[in-house]
Amino acid sequence: EAQVTQNPRYLITVTGKKLTVTCSQNMNHEYMSWYRQDPGLGLRQIYYSMNVEVTDKGDVPEGYKVSRKEKRNFPLILESPSPNQTSLYFCATRQFPPAAEAFFGQGTRLTVV
Amino acid sequence: GQQVMQIPQYQHVQEGEDFTTYCNSSTTLSNIQWYKQRPGGHPVFLIQLVKSGEVKKQKRLTFQFGEAKKNSSLHITATQTTDVGTYFCAGLRMTTDSWGKLQFGSGTQVVVTP
Repeated sequence: EAQVTQNPRYLITVTGKKLTVTCSQNMNHEYMSWYRQDPGLGLRQIYYSMNVEVTDKGDVPEGYKVSRKEKRNFPLILESPSPNQTSLYFCATRQFPPAAEAFFGQGTRLTVV
Repeated sequence: GQQVMQIPQYQHVQEGEDFTTYCNSSTTLSNIQWYKQRPGGHPVFLIQLVKSGEVKKQKRLTFQFGEAKKNSSLHITATQTTDVGTYFCAGLRMTTDSWGKLQFGSGTQVVVTP
C-alpha cells in the first residue's frame, strides 16, 4: 500500500529540547516537503526537497532544518523548539507535474511548552 | 504572503442544503487541486483541474476552474453529514525548476447539522 509515514503522531516537549520528526515514503517519489497547519492559515510549506541531497526553503523555514540522505526519508529537525512552533505538521510527497497531487502523511501534533 | 485566498473560512450548513467555497489566486495557475481533510485526519486529494473554464463533477461535488486560471470553486449539493471536514484548494504555479510550487488556501471548515 502506498504510504507516507510520520512519527511520532503526538509529541509534547519543552522549549529548547531538540527533536526530530521522521517521514518515510514507499512511493518512490522524488519530491518531498513539510507543511505546518495552523487555524486560519491553512497549510504552509516549511522545506521541500526535489531529490536526494537537494533541499530548499519553503515559506516558513525559520527554526527548522531538514535533510535528504535517502530518497524515501525526509526528517524534520527542530534544533531549539519554541512555543510558536506548536502546530500540526504534515509530510507530503508529490509526483512530477502535471500529475502533481500531494500525498500526505498522518500528521504530527507538536506542543512546545 | 499567501497568494491563494479561500472563502469562506467557516461554513455551517443544514443537511440537504447546498454551499460553495471559493478560491482566488493573485497569479495565473498551471492547475488547481482540491483536498478534503476529515476532522483529525490528513488532507486527501479530491481532484485536479487543468484547463481554462474546466468543470468536473464527482457525485454531488462540482469543481470549476476560471477562464483566467486564477480562481476556482467547489459546489456541494444536498450536503450530507459525510461532507464534514475542511476543504482546501491548492494552486500549482510553475517555477524555474519545473516542479512548480503548490500553494494552499486557508481552507473552508464545513460543519453539517442534521
